[in-house]
Amino acid sequence: GESVGLHLPTLSVQEGDNSIINCAYSNSASDYFIWYKQESGKGPQFIIDIRSNMDKRQGQRVTVLLNKTVKHLSLQIAATQPGDSAVYFCADTIKAAGNKLTFGGGTRVLVKP
Amino acid sequence: NAGVTQTPKFRILKIGQSMTLQCTQDMNHNYMYWYRQDPGMGLKLIYYSVGAGITDKGEVPNGYNVSRSTTEDFPLRLELAAPSQTSVYFCASSHLGQGNTEAFFGQGTRLTVV
Repeated sequence: GESVGLHLPTLSVQEGDNSIINCAYSNSASDYFIWYKQESGKGPQFIIDIRSNMDKRQGQRVTVLLNKTVKHLSLQIAATQPGDSAVYFCADTIKAAGNKLTFGGGTRVLVKP
Repeated sequence: NAGVTQTPKFRILKIGQSMTLQCTQDMNHNYMYWYRQDPGMGLKLIYYSVGAGITDKGEVPNGYNVSRSTTEDFPLRLELAAPSQTSVYFCASSHLGQGNTEAFFGQGTRLTVV
C-alpha cells in the first residue's frame, strides 16, 4: 500500500539457523503481500506471496506469516544457507489501485559460515 | 523466453541530456512497471501500466515519461537529466490474476548523470 516498511536493516545469521525477516505495513486495503529476494547486481526475484485473507503460507524452506491485527508480515527461512545472503523486500499489491506493486525498504541478510 | 530485457545496461548522461530506457518482455504480461533503486535503498515505483495504451503514475514520476503502445514494450523517457536521477532502473512485468502475483524483473540499467 502507501507505506510498506521493515524493522531491521541488517540481519546476521549463522548458517543452518532459521532467519526471520519482519515487515510492517500501513494500508489495510492491500490484497496481496509478497516477498522478493535481491542478490547483488541483479533484479529482485519472487519468493512467495500471501493473500490478505490468509494468516500463513509455506513454500520450500520459507514461511510467510501475516498478522492483520498489528499489520505485520514476516518471512521465515529455515536452515539458512550461504545462498540466502541477499536483500529481502516485502511488497504489496492493491487491486483497487490498478494492482500497482509497491516495495518496502529491504533487509540485508548475511549468512555466516 | 528471454523474460524481461532492459537496454542499455549502463549509461552516463550529462545534465540536461535526454534518453530512453528500453524495456521489452516476451511473456505476454499485461502489467509492466518501472522502478528506480538508489544505493542501499529500496525500489521506488516511477510508472506502471495495466495494459497497452494505459499508464499510471507511481510514487516518483516527476522527470520521467512512459508510453505503452504494445503489450511487449514499455520505454521510460528522461527528458532533462538531473544528478538526482542517478540510480539503477528496473523494469518488471507480471500477469496478475488467478492469484498470481509474481513479477519478473530485468537486470537493470545503471544510469549516472554528471
